[in-house]
Amino acid sequence: SAVISQKPSRDICQRGTSLTIQCQVDSQVTMMFWYRQQPGQSLTLIATANQGSEATYESGFVIDKFPISRPNLTFSTLTVSNMSPEDSSIYLCSVDSLGLPFNNEQFFGPGTRLTVL
Amino acid sequence: KNEVEQSPQNLTAQEGEFITINCSYSVGISALHWLQQHPGGGIVSLFMLSSGKKKHGRLIATINIQEKHSSLHITASHPRDSAVYICAVPLNRDDKIIFGKGTRLHILP
Repeated sequence: SAVISQKPSRDICQRGTSLTIQCQVDSQVTMMFWYRQQPGQSLTLIATANQGSEATYESGFVIDKFPISRPNLTFSTLTVSNMSPEDSSIYLCSVDSLGLPFNNEQFFGPGTRLTVL
Repeated sequence: KNEVEQSPQNLTAQEGEFITINCSYSVGISALHWLQQHPGGGIVSLFMLSSGKKKHGRLIATINIQEKHSSLHITASHPRDSAVYICAVPLNRDDKIIFGKGTRLHILP
């Protein structure tokens, strides 16, 4: 199994500022995913971060707004830039264990709750 | 005891079969999510529901708040339905999300 930690667990930020969320995994993983859950909504995938390459963003998300770093196989950061109240959400990172198809387990971080005033 | 439990853990079925995946939870929740993960891919949100039933195409999700139980049904299953299905519940007290371990579904052609 993989243990994932996220920092910060929660934060309250002012409009126009940026916040970087860290995701640390206790084992090497190929793919890391960043999700957002807006209040009252389900999870939405923001991007997939692979080590050594640019992150792949989902429709509706752009690198300028959500820059992602993936410097090694155990760590990633997501920055929420130029924040507005609409960015108030829970942000989660998750990892897919290495393995064969249908033998993958999905592990999630505890989430970062962001409130933008 | 896990706060969110899914059953079965693994399920292999023939194309066309009716599929049921169950989720039981022991915590107070405001809503429950059903997620789908394809091999090597991210997660797709299928449903978020807090009462009753929702339907989308061949997928049906039901929830019984009193019994703390939800089911995901797939009618006329197809090999492309093969994926891991995850039940997830956000906790009321701190908005942390508790995920079930997933049900690995394999539909044979």
